[in-house]
Amino acid sequence: AQSVTQLGSHVSVSEGALVLLRCNYSSSVPPYLFWYVQYPNQGLQLLLKYTSAATLVKGINGFEAEFKKSETSFHLTKPSAHMSDAAEYFCAVTFTGFQKLVFGTGTRLLVSP
Amino acid sequence: DAEITQSPRHKITETGRQVTLACHQTWNHNNMFWYRQDLGHGLRLIHYSYGVQDTNKGEVSDGYSVSRSNTEDLPLTLESAASSQTSVYFCASSESKTGGETQYFGPGTRLLVL
Repeated sequence: AQSVTQLGSHVSVSEGALVLLRCNYSSSVPPYLFWYVQYPNQGLQLLLKYTSAATLVKGINGFEAEFKKSETSFHLTKPSAHMSDAAEYFCAVTFTGFQKLVFGTGTRLLVSP
Repeated sequence: DAEITQSPRHKITETGRQVTLACHQTWNHNNMFWYRQDLGHGLRLIHYSYGVQDTNKGEVSDGYSVSRSNTEDLPLTLESAASSQTSVYFCASSESKTGGETQYFGPGTRLLVL
């Protein structure tokens, strides 16, 4: 069965610091991996996704993630945090032929001035 | 612009009442999904549909039902609301069954069952 683990329910950074949000997945078949962002009182918005092309995926708002099969990881990074990045971030997985997303429990990113 | 809308945005109901949450998309997508979001659980799949007249149970389907009579709408019904169904509900849609398809989410419905 597929599953996603997000380490750290809360991550705090200072404005301008590196953002690193961790995601590890479990899948018996090649996965498709997604990062979604949720701003307060809003729905989820796609940040980026891995669909077996390039392992380094660039998304919106300066975020990127690298698929590492050997580590079963898909960590999300941004070189320099901005106050507007404060939100909840969800990692999700699915696989070929199926559209059912399995989500991690989410990581709330807090950005301080 | 195409969009996905949910109504109502907020709902308060009493235990035992039937409640229907609406979801409408103008993407002309084949696939539609209902999720619930709870603290510590992320989003969990309730029901999903791959097309008209097709419905399937998800991870947490007990106490919920859906029907798909057209492409645009997938209403979610709570047959007899329970306090455990207090949650935020999200509808989503996607175009095809390919695993890498993006799901587009509505703004959510916040449901409180008293």
